[in-house]
Amino acid sequence: QVQLVQSGSELKKPGASVKLSCKASGYTFTSYAINWVRQAPGQGLEWMGWIDTNTGDPSYAQGFTGRFVFSLDTSVSTAYLQISSLKAEDTAIYYCARLYSPGNPFDFWGQGSLVTVSS
Amino acid sequence: DIQMTQSPSSLSASVGDRVTITCRASQFMSKFLNWYQQKPGQAPKLLIYAASNLQSGVPSRFSGSGAGTDFTLTISSLQPEDFATYYCQQSYSAPRTFGQGTKVEV
Repeated sequence: QVQLVQSGSELKKPGASVKLSCKASGYTFTSYAINWVRQAPGQGLEWMGWIDTNTGDPSYAQGFTGRFVFSLDTSVSTAYLQISSLKAEDTAIYYCARLYSPGNPFDFWGQGSLVTVSS
Repeated sequence: DIQMTQSPSSLSASVGDRVTITCRASQFMSKFLNWYQQKPGQAPKLLIYAASNLQSGVPSRFSGSGAGTDFTLTISSLQPEDFATYYCQQSYSAPRTFGQGTKVEV
């Protein structure tokens, strides 16, 4: 069965970095793009961007350029989100979700990774 | 960017009620509209895609309609497990914006 399993919760200090993982199973990893979605505490869903699992090319939404990096390791069917220079406002749950092609929905989601940034 | 506006932001309903949630896009987007359900502590789950197509495994009491800029999610008879927050999302163009969510409460 299709699964996207994300790494666990992280507690970081301001200025630190974090790298989250999203391991896919149950389907051909390179057949679906991976999207990243942020949800701040008590807030709605915010699309961060996506990465093409065939080419490794990332695309970032406005507001998620510079400190946010999407990457892949196709040998282990895993996508990564790295956030540098963490700020308190980066405190959120980060979800990965797969996408078959532009125009399609996000049909499977990871369980989310909570990042807490606090001194 | 396409802005998605959901209404209402929250609603109170009872088991058995018919519930309707509306999503309006700031520009034409054909039928590239999806609906997700999110329960507390869980990831969002796809309910409806392409405005009116029921995702596999989703109960038939959920339905979607609309095209262009105006879309609707309907729950024909609300069940206890349906109390959750619902989000619309457009897949017409990047950025893939979400509505602000509608919380369905008792």
